[in-house]
Amino acid sequence: GENVEQHPSTLSVQEGDSAVIKCTYSDSASNYFPWYKQELGKGPQLIIDIRSNVGEKKDQRIAVTLNKTAKHFSLHITETQPEDSAVYFCAASTQAGTALIFGKGTTLSVSS
Amino acid sequence: DTGVSQNPRHKITKRGQNVTFRCDPISEHNRLYWYRQTLGQGPEFLTYFQNEAQLEKSRLLSDRFSAERPKGSFSTLEIQRTEQGDSAMYLCASSFTIEKLFFGSGTQLSVL
Repeated sequence: GENVEQHPSTLSVQEGDSAVIKCTYSDSASNYFPWYKQELGKGPQLIIDIRSNVGEKKDQRIAVTLNKTAKHFSLHITETQPEDSAVYFCAASTQAGTALIFGKGTTLSVSS
Repeated sequence: DTGVSQNPRHKITKRGQNVTFRCDPISEHNRLYWYRQTLGQGPEFLTYFQNEAQLEKSRLLSDRFSAERPKGSFSTLEIQRTEQGDSAMYLCASSFTIEKLFFGSGTQLSVL
């Protein structure tokens, strides 16, 4: 079945540094790849997404890159701030496009 | 509309009891999803509705789990004969398409 692997599981950076989280997916039919941020006591919130016909997408300090051949995609956060501290999840759409399969998450800690 | 609403926020029950959770999606969203999230893991897809039709239910964890969306608006998730392993956060999400799922804050279930 579909599987999404995410690394690292934890990431600690200093304020102002960059953070990179990487994911790989197993289903070559997946064509939609979102990233979600989850804060304590809340549900995941979409922060950026990319479709398979695009290699890179940027939104202010956040960017996502996709390599369909290698079946991996990455989240890049530049100029990190303490409020970026949260759990980040990558996901990939199922072949039927009916649901998202999530990675296990990365706990990002940004210290000032 | 303030987003996806889930009730109750917390539920404590004894093993063997039945529990029911409610999800009110963003109005006019035709898609509704149920996910389960355990500590330190990503959301795990359970089932999906398009309007009142349940189009994917093969991932429901066992026959003790069932979901309904009777009029294509709110949805309920029922777990019969609860077990300690059912303890988790149950998340609901809604959307127009597979893209841009909006999650609720979840129902935290504790089975004693």
